[in-house]
Amino acid sequence: QSALTQPASVSGSPGQSITISCTGTLSDIGSYNYVSWYQQYPGKAPKLMIYDVSKRPSGVSNRFSGSKSGNTASLTISGLQAEDEADYYCSSYTTSNTYVFGNGTQVTVL
Amino acid sequence: QVQLVQSGAEVRKPGASVKISCTASGYSFTSYHVHWMRQAPGQGLEWMGIIHPSGGNTNYAQKFRGRVTMTRDTSTRTLYMELSSLGSEDTAVYYCAKDSGSFSGDCWGPGTLVTVSS
Repeated sequence: QSALTQPASVSGSPGQSITISCTGTLSDIGSYNYVSWYQQYPGKAPKLMIYDVSKRPSGVSNRFSGSKSGNTASLTISGLQAEDEADYYCSSYTTSNTYVFGNGTQVTVL
Repeated sequence: QVQLVQSGAEVRKPGASVKISCTASGYSFTSYHVHWMRQAPGQGLEWMGIIHPSGGNTNYAQKFRGRVTMTRDTSTRTLYMELSSLGSEDTAVYYCAKDSGSFSGDCWGPGTLVTVSS
């Protein structure tokens, strides 16, 4: 199972919106609405930000939103803030009853 | 509150095995799957497998089948992940994470650093 494809880095100015893409295949993203997104600060454990493509866990800012079209999922961060600077990973359930992560995207707030 | 506590850092020689523990609290232990992931230095997350604490059913990533064993002890609410035939490429931080009930990890342990070095 190959890793999902994410851009290595995305940047934006405070207040702007950015979108991170996550491209998979019919064996994962294309078959299920079980895409999740995680935020990770250096040296820390990941934190769930989005699950089931577009649902936010309790306590996660509504500036974070998710969507999916075909084999590609997206995470949008609106009203970018300095605290959003982190690594972001997508993940999907697969037709093999396993999970696969994306290779990760480093978000920089300019 | 939901919490996962992992065992401390380990150092192993190539060819050896390592067994990491993950003790859960704050939720119904037998109701949610638990995932195991790892992250090599400077690299991304890698899913290793999943276990359901109720019956002990497991499913492993193809890459680790034959080398990984995930078990649980319901009396102590503890999950275990054992990886054998270690090589330098297994040097990583290993995480356990409780499944949300919807195919995602909603609570992660702090991670356990495993260093494989001769």
